[in-house]
Amino acid sequence: RKEVEQDPGPFNVPEGATVAFNCTYSNSASQSFFWYRQDCRKEPKLLMSVYSSGNEDGRFTAQLNRASQYISLLIRDSKLSDSATYLCAVNKDSGAGSYQLTFGKGTKLSVIP
Amino acid sequence: GAGVSQSPSNKVTEKGKDVELRCDPISGHTALYWYRQSLGQGLEFLIYFQGNSAPDKSGLPSDRFSAERTGGSVSTLTIQRTQQEDSAVYLCASHRIYMNTEAFFGQGTRLTVV
Repeated sequence: RKEVEQDPGPFNVPEGATVAFNCTYSNSASQSFFWYRQDCRKEPKLLMSVYSSGNEDGRFTAQLNRASQYISLLIRDSKLSDSATYLCAVNKDSGAGSYQLTFGKGTKLSVIP
Repeated sequence: GAGVSQSPSNKVTEKGKDVELRCDPISGHTALYWYRQSLGQGLEFLIYFQGNSAPDKSGLPSDRFSAERTGGSVSTLTIQRTQQEDSAVYLCASHRIYMNTEAFFGQGTRLTVV
């Protein structure tokens, strides 16, 4: 099993739709989780961290399910500008108090007019 | 407060030549990563540095690829005897040592091997 797995998509959704992405991870000891957004020909940038209790930022909601070892990202009322690739990142203890982040391959979202 | 800086931003090289890519992480970031991304593909992990040591270099695709980091800061990725399949965007990322810390990416070096 890969350390971090995502459905590559693409997800093609109409404007205004709600879309959800999942990201599964294999290391049960992981403590930190993130969602990144990557626009075409740009570098990934942090979209939001994922907290244990779940968190919301406008139209975006992130959740963590430790029992099933996955995180999710929900986008409500999709906009054309949401079209991008969404990557999840999960940390693991790499020893001596340091942590290594592992990224998924990303899920491509296309919002269609 | 500069971000992660990579140079050159673009590099065109002839097949068989060696290339060196540079990454200047954010000051104070002890963790540094190199990734490769081909057009339309996901991030491919290459190597992870913690300070000057590389506890995870499992992603380096062949012995033509090497990386080093000095002074806990600047890192260089060297590709020897470049091949056409090495053409991709090479991204560098860095973060602080702490657990709940996000990684910041540079804008990448677009390498084209002709």
